[in-house]
Amino acid sequence: GAGVSQSPSNKVTEKGKDVELRCDPISGHTALYWYRQSLGQGLEFLIYFQGNSAPDKSGLPSDRFSAERTGGSVSTLTIQRTQQEDSAVYLCASSSGLKWGGTEAFFGQGTRLTVV
Amino acid sequence: KNQVEQSPQSLIILEGKNCTLQCNYTVSPFSNLRWYKQDTGRGPVSLTIMTFSENTKSNGRYTATLDADTKQSSLHITASQLSDSASYICVVSEGGNKLVFGAGTILRVKS
Repeated sequence: GAGVSQSPSNKVTEKGKDVELRCDPISGHTALYWYRQSLGQGLEFLIYFQGNSAPDKSGLPSDRFSAERTGGSVSTLTIQRTQQEDSAVYLCASSSGLKWGGTEAFFGQGTRLTVV
Repeated sequence: KNQVEQSPQSLIILEGKNCTLQCNYTVSPFSNLRWYKQDTGRGPVSLTIMTFSENTKSNGRYTATLDADTKQSSLHITASQLSDSASYICVVSEGGNKLVFGAGTILRVKS
């Protein structure tokens, strides 16, 4: 696609429910990142994909969080049994993953998750 | 562990004043460093890229510097405007194909 697309743009869910956030990266981009931003806070790394594998998932805050990527393209971030502290904007970024010259990250608009 | 640290975490300045944001990194091998600007409610957008051999680069009122020896970069904003209010994020390329992101500095410009 023309840019990184995230859906939904906004999600309000009840505490304890599961949610799925979707990221559609730029076509051909092999690297994909998930971050989150709590209100007024900086970026918090969650997970990094290279192709379908996740060489770095050290930022996932608990086992309620999981992510997968299929076909080297779309990624979904799943949060189980949501808690109020999960409320944040979840940002996805992709880059071409080329060693030189292809290292600009392109961000989606984010999914604003509110757990009530 | 490869890390990118930004300071300050947040900053408030008066319109028309200058400010400097800092980025220190331990990423190795180093390929390049980018500064991104994130307006409220939007995704970050690249402002400038610094490669190993570049010491300074300007983009309008924004000037980025890089000291590859000390592994430090700064983003200097001259004559700030209200529209400069945003989060500024430093991102370092690991030289392979992984990017390491700083947490960002939240800048607020007041009139």
